[in-house]
Amino acid sequence: NAGVMQNPRHLVRRRGQEARLRCSPMKGHSHVYWYRQLPEEGLKFMVYLQKENIIDESGMPKERFSAEFPKEGPSILRIQQVVRGDSAAYFCASSPILIAGTDTQYFGPGTRLTVL
Amino acid sequence: DQQVKQNSPSLSVQEGRISILNCDYTNSMFDYFLWYKKYPAEGPTFLISISSIKDKNEDGRFTVFLNKSAKHLSLHIVPSQPGDSAVYFCAASDGSSNTGKLIFGQGTTLQVKP
Repeated sequence: NAGVMQNPRHLVRRRGQEARLRCSPMKGHSHVYWYRQLPEEGLKFMVYLQKENIIDESGMPKERFSAEFPKEGPSILRIQQVVRGDSAAYFCASSPILIAGTDTQYFGPGTRLTVL
Repeated sequence: DQQVKQNSPSLSVQEGRISILNCDYTNSMFDYFLWYKKYPAEGPTFLISISSIKDKNEDGRFTVFLNKSAKHLSLHIVPSQPGDSAVYFCAASDGSSNTGKLIFGQGTTLQVKP
């Protein structure tokens, strides 16, 4: 049973370019979460999605960032017009079903974004 | 506003001894707590969790204790092994929010010396 898959593992972009990060949840998981880890910090929640729905995007920056989880295919985190401050590790997690008080999320290996 | 705090950035213990990692939280609505282990350049790996209806959960060498009145939880690893050297994150969620969002502490780097 494959775990959470993320690609690419490393992504280098120049300022102003677009970054697309992909996440395939574990088999049987329908809930996807994106987190960002800045250097020397813990993980910060960005967005929670179910198939074709954004449930909670309270951690997403208001501009340039968007996320989707289409009916078919992986979840995508898209960052437009990247700036140096976007350099971070972006982690995707998935869980099978949301039951209050038991929500264990399983993480992918992350995508390390470097903005030059 | 740091709702989950790990006040010790690092901890060093001898192989075979007990490692105790601590975590404090401020939000009384948190009802599910998790510990993750993270190696460099990898994603966090789930270790153990505890629901707020319990005060202890054990899994092999790992035990998590929850003190709700003090808003404090701890992870005990015994005996510690060199392979346990990693960054440990505690995380919490509020089940009533229906979002599953995890709030993470800043992490504690554990070094287990042979």
